[in-house]
Amino acid sequence: AQSVTQLGSHVSVSEGALVLLRCNYSSSVPPYLFWYVQYPNQGLQLLLKYTSAATLVKGINGFEAEFKKSETSFHLTKPSAHMSDAAEYFCAVSDQTGANNLFFGTGTRLTVIP
Amino acid sequence: DTGVSQDPRHKITKRGQNVTFRCDPISEHNRLYWYRQTLGQGPEFLTYFQNEAQLEKSRLLSDRFSAERPKGSFSTLEIQRTEQGDSAMYLCASSLDWVTDTQYFGPGTRLTVL
Repeated sequence: AQSVTQLGSHVSVSEGALVLLRCNYSSSVPPYLFWYVQYPNQGLQLLLKYTSAATLVKGINGFEAEFKKSETSFHLTKPSAHMSDAAEYFCAVSDQTGANNLFFGTGTRLTVIP
Repeated sequence: DTGVSQDPRHKITKRGQNVTFRCDPISEHNRLYWYRQTLGQGPEFLTYFQNEAQLEKSRLLSDRFSAERPKGSFSTLEIQRTEQGDSAMYLCASSLDWVTDTQYFGPGTRLTVL
């Protein structure tokens, strides 16, 4: 069965500081992993995805994530936080069956302090 | 490409009433998904269509819930005899065919059951 765990429901960083959002996964097959961002009262927007190609994945808005099989992790990072990065971030793993539905973590709310 | 659209964006109803939501996927996307998101949680998979065929349903989808996708285009999700526990954000997503294809989410329909 597939699942993800996001450590830290709330993360606060200063503007310009490093952003690190943690995600650990559990999967019975080689995983496909995703990070989505959700702004208030909006749907989810894909930041980046890992589908068994390069382990370091670059996404939109300067975010990147590294797939580490030995640690079963897929942490999201950004070198320098902007005020516009304040949002809810969700890590997800797909089940790669016919439906390919996504299993989401509980989310991490990122606050950027000016 | 106008993205995934959902209607209505907000719905307030009284317990026991029936409600219906609509989702218009990105054109030419064969896969369509419904998810439910409650406060403080990540989205949870409800059901999945491949063209007009409903191929998978979650245990979360009680017999009060029904979804359709006539002609493989837009989809509707109906909840009969609504309960307060049905209050949530209902998200629709669509994608192409491969398991690696990105699921694009709509803005969601927020349901409040009084």
